[in-house]
Amino acid sequence: AQKITQTQPGMFVQEKEAVTLDCTYDTSDPSYGLFWYKQPSSGEMIFLIYQGSYDQQNATEGRYSLNFQKARKSANLVISASQLGDSAMYFCAMRAGYNQGGKLIFGQGTELSVKP
Amino acid sequence: DTEVTQTPKHLVMGMTNKKSLKCEQHMGHRAMYWYKQKAKKPPELMFVYSYEKLSINESVPSRFSPECPNSSLLNLHLHALQPEDSALYLCASSQDPVSGNTIYFGEGSWLTVV
Repeated sequence: AQKITQTQPGMFVQEKEAVTLDCTYDTSDPSYGLFWYKQPSSGEMIFLIYQGSYDQQNATEGRYSLNFQKARKSANLVISASQLGDSAMYFCAMRAGYNQGGKLIFGQGTELSVKP
Repeated sequence: DTEVTQTPKHLVMGMTNKKSLKCEQHMGHRAMYWYKQKAKKPPELMFVYSYEKLSINESVPSRFSPECPNSSLLNLHLHALQPEDSALYLCASSQDPVSGNTIYFGEGSWLTVV
C-alpha cells in the first residue's frame, strides 16, 4: 500500500533563512509522482513542485527545490530565503499509478511559521 | 492558465436542505476530483471522474452525489447532510489520471451544516 509520512507537525524558521520539510514515502509501484502543495489559511491548495520517479535530476521551481533520494524513499522540500508569506501548511503527496486511478495520497502536513 | 474555479466560496445549509457545489476548469483536463478536508488534516479523496465517467467512489455516503455534465464541469449535490459533514471541499483536475500529471486544485468551498 502507498503511504506518505511527514514527521514534522510544525516548524519555525527565521525570515531569509532556508528550511527543509521532510517527506518519506512507500510504494511498490515503479512509476509514481511526488508533489508538494502549500495551503495558506484561506484554504487554497497551491501546487509548488513535482518530481517523477524516473527523473534523473532534482526538481526546482524558483525558491523551491525537491531533494529526491530514491533509494531512501525521501522527497524533502527545501525553501530558500524564507519569506513571511511562506507561513502555511505544507503537504507532501504521491500520485499512484494508473491502475490506482491516479489517486493523490497526502501526508499529514507540516505547519511552517516564518518569524520576522 | 492553471485555474480551477469553485462556487460558492462559502455555504451554510440546514440538514434538510438540498444544495450543490460547482467546479469548472477550462484546461482541457479529462480527470476531475472531489476532496473533503477537515481542519488541520490532509484532504481525503471522495470521487474521481475520468473522461466524464465516475471511476472512483471512496465509499462516500449517498447524501453526497457527484455529477459530471461535461468535461469542464463537476458538481457535488448535497442532501440531508449532517453537522459532521462541515468541512472544506476541494475540487481538482489533471490532464488525465496517470501518475505523471500534476493535479491542480481550486480555492475550495467552505461548507457549514447547521
